[in-house]
Amino acid sequence: DGGITQSPKYLFRKEGQNVTLSCEQNLNHDAMYWYRQDPGQGLRLIYYSQIVNDFQKGDIAEGYSVSREKKESFPLTVTSAQKNPTAFYLCASSRRRARDPGPEAFFGQGTRLTVV
Amino acid sequence: GESVGLHLPTLSVQEGDNSIINCAYSNSASDYFIWYKQESGKGPQFIIDIRSNMDKRQGQRVTVLLNKTVKHLSLQIAATQPGDSAVYFCAERASYGKLTFGQGTILTVHP
Repeated sequence: DGGITQSPKYLFRKEGQNVTLSCEQNLNHDAMYWYRQDPGQGLRLIYYSQIVNDFQKGDIAEGYSVSREKKESFPLTVTSAQKNPTAFYLCASSRRRARDPGPEAFFGQGTRLTVV
Repeated sequence: GESVGLHLPTLSVQEGDNSIINCAYSNSASDYFIWYKQESGKGPQFIIDIRSNMDKRQGQRVTVLLNKTVKHLSLQIAATQPGDSAVYFCAERASYGKLTFGQGTILTVHP
């Protein structure tokens, strides 16, 4: 079955550590996205990639980094520079190459990151 | 409707009732709107969308209404079922492509 997979589902990080969240899709989608979701707030765009080897900052890119070496994969690294990393992180993919994923986007199940 | 803050608005209904979830959007230049459903611990799922040149669109058991005069969007769910319990949020897209998501409304359907 085609889909988008995020791992791990839960992740705990000590302060000062970098952690990497995985996002893999087998839908042959060109575009991939990372969002952050906090309680009581809407999704906020961290980074997006419209094509392999290219990515753009979203609205809240500070303290995060990404890579897009393969079409299927778009890992997100939460660095120690991110002052408030505890949140629910969502990855999405879409056929269309655009800043927003559009109605045909597939979202992953999310990774809940907690700083301990 | 949606509001700023840490606590999401909630709506509780009985199974079989109709539900209406509201969303106030901010940008009068937004040209496209989407409603999503998000179940606990899962990613959002697309429900229905509407373009700004329309004021109503119907899907299966769902209807979206758009009132551009007051920048208001609503999602109507007919014959609500326990499986409809989730967080529902809207998103608006500015003409230059940026998608802005609302915070959501918690819908609880009681059997």
